[in-house]
Amino acid sequence: GAGVSQTPSNKVTEKGKYVELRCDPISGHTALYWYRQSLGQGPEFLIYFQGTGAADDSGLPNDRFFAVRPEGSVSTLKIQRTERGDSAVYLCASSLSSDRGREQYFGPGTRLTVT
Amino acid sequence: GDSVTQMEGPVTLSEEACLTINCTYTATGYPSLFWYVQYPGEGLQLLLKATKADDKGSNKGFEATYRKETTSFHLEKGSVQVSDSAVYFCALSDDGGATNKLIFGTGTLLAVQP
Repeated sequence: GAGVSQTPSNKVTEKGKYVELRCDPISGHTALYWYRQSLGQGPEFLIYFQGTGAADDSGLPNDRFFAVRPEGSVSTLKIQRTERGDSAVYLCASSLSSDRGREQYFGPGTRLTVT
Repeated sequence: GDSVTQMEGPVTLSEEACLTINCTYTATGYPSLFWYVQYPGEGLQLLLKATKADDKGSNKGFEATYRKETTSFHLEKGSVQVSDSAVYFCALSDDGGATNKLIFGTGTLLAVQP
C-alpha cells in the first residue's frame, strides 16, 4: 500500500519568507510525528498528533513553527519568518497508534533550504 | 533528559566481515529501543526493535539485544554485504510518556566494499 508521502521534496526559500510543508500519512494511522534532521545528525522530534490534536509540541524550537492536522489525516508544518538555521530535512512519520514500541513509518522528507 | 549515544562513523568493512555498531542510552524509565536504517536515496525504515530487557531484535541477519545492566543495544551482523551500506540510527522511545516519540542517536555510516 501507499506509504507516507511528503510534499514538496525540496523547497528553497528566502530568509524571512513563510513556508508550508505537507505530510500525507498512511491511511488509518492515528499518530503522526514531525521530526527535523540537520546535516550529520539524527532526527529530532518536533511535534506529535493523536488524531486532530497536537498532543505534544515540546520539540518545536520557537513560536515561528506551527503545525496542524485539521481532519486527523494530512498534516501541514508551517514556518514563519524563516531563518537560515531552519535549513534541514523535515521528516514526517505515522503510526497505527502511540502504543509503546509501535513502529513509525517515515516519509522521504522535505529538504528545506533558506537562503 | 533521555539520550542515545552511538559510535561515530564512517565504518568501512569488506564484504563478509563482522559488524558491530555500539549504542548506549540514558533514560529515566524503561524505554523501547530501535535500530532504524536509511539506505542511499531512501527514507528511514525500521530495522529491528526490542521493548524490554534481555529481548533480542533481529531482521535481515542483524541482531541487537536490550541490555539493561549496561544500558546498551549494540547492532551486530556476522557477515555484511555491499547492500548493507547505509546510515544506521539507534533510537529509543520513553514509555514514561504517552507519545512514543523517538529520540535518535547521530547515526553511523556503514560502507561495505566488495
